[in-house]
Amino acid sequence: DAGVTQSPTHLIKTRGQQVTLRCSPKSGHDTVSWYQQALGQGPQFIFQYYEEEERQRGNFPDRFSGHQFPNYSSELNVNALLLGDSALYLCASSLLTSGIGSYNEQFFGPGTRLTVL
Amino acid sequence: EDQVTQSPEALRLQEGESSSLNCSYTVSGLRGLFWYRQDPGKGPEFLFTLYSAGEEKEKERLKATLTKKESFLHITAPKPEDSATYLCAVLGNYGQNFVFGPGTRLSVLP
Repeated sequence: DAGVTQSPTHLIKTRGQQVTLRCSPKSGHDTVSWYQQALGQGPQFIFQYYEEEERQRGNFPDRFSGHQFPNYSSELNVNALLLGDSALYLCASSLLTSGIGSYNEQFFGPGTRLTVL
Repeated sequence: EDQVTQSPEALRLQEGESSSLNCSYTVSGLRGLFWYRQDPGKGPEFLFTLYSAGEEKEKERLKATLTKKESFLHITAPKPEDSATYLCAVLGNYGQNFVFGPGTRLSVLP
């Protein structure tokens, strides 16, 4: 059973360019969340997708956008790249459950290391 | 706003020297507290979920406990392969995303 996969592994871009990162969730999962992790810090929530719609968004500018496909895979797009966008981008998948008191764990992929020069 | 802090920032132990990592949180109703292990350049690896105060979970040399304000990750007789960054995250009743702490970098020396 494949876990969460992400591509590419590494990416180097220059300021002002655009980038697309891809994620395939763990089998059986329907929800994908994206996180940005700067060096030495914990992951910061970007947004979450369920049923092909953005459910919640963190404190990130509109330059960060996403998409979820019918097969639950997802893309993260970043426009007009800045030096500060250099980070490890993590995708996490889970199975959405409702109700307080239960929550299925998020499983993370290996990440995409983005370097902006 | 949900917040998570972790201490210490970094910890160096000798092999076999037991210790504890702390995760303090403020959240508007806790739905879950999660511990992850992260190796350099890799994604976080899930360890435990704790749902209510008083709950404890164990896995090999690791034991996680939860109170109403903090969680501890106890490491008993650690080995060098336990060296990693340990991340704590919370999910509140009014949030739909995890809020992570900055992590504790653990180094276990042989």
